[in-house]
Amino acid sequence: EVQLVESGGGLVQPGGSLRLSCAASGFTFSTYAMTWVRQAPGKGLEWVSAVSGSGGNTYFADSVKGRFTISRDNSKSTLYLQMNSLRAEDTAIYYCAKGPNWNPMYYALDVWGQGTTVTVSS
Amino acid sequence: QSVLTQPPSASGTPGQRVTISCSGSSSNIGINTVNWYQHLPGTAPKLLIYSDNQRPSGVPDRISGSKSGSSASLAISGLRSEDEADYFCETWDDSLNGKVFGGGTKLTVL
Repeated sequence: EVQLVESGGGLVQPGGSLRLSCAASGFTFSTYAMTWVRQAPGKGLEWVSAVSGSGGNTYFADSVKGRFTISRDNSKSTLYLQMNSLRAEDTAIYYCAKGPNWNPMYYALDVWGQGTTVTVSS
Repeated sequence: QSVLTQPPSASGTPGQRVTISCSGSSSNIGINTVNWYQHLPGTAPKLLIYSDNQRPSGVPDRISGSKSGSSASLAISGLRSEDEADYFCETWDDSLNGKVFGGGTKLTVL
């Protein structure tokens, strides 16, 4: 069974850092692009970042560019999101999701995790 | 303000057909395919439609998608109580070089 499990969320002060992880199982991780999507309280889904299957190509929303880094360890089947200089507006449930092939552009997100909650507050 | 525009709400009675629209522009829906997701709060979003009108296995054929120009639509026929959820459209935006989502439509089954 294809499964994605996020972890690493929590309460952090403004300006702080947090690293989210997404453990994948049930598929050949390195073959597929991975994406982070978030949902702030009472808001819709917002695309955050994506990475190609090899990890060589990364993409970021303007709202997080320069503050967030996406990476993956294909030997561990794990996706990461390093979040620095956090702001109150980064408070959200963060979901990781899998694409149908190596390319993170254009294609749908066919499997999602349950999400991990990040709260940025003093 | 989302790049893709959806109505905030829609409703119907059991058995009815409802449609949810998603309006974009020439840099997103006009040139790229559209995907639709169903989301119940507290759960993982679920892919309903990909590549404008394709259903993943397990999604019933009473759910369909279509696209014309820079707009797309999701249709649900034979409405059931379990269809009550939030629905989001999504595509790639070539100008922003990233994915964009609609603001979401809350579907209520009366």
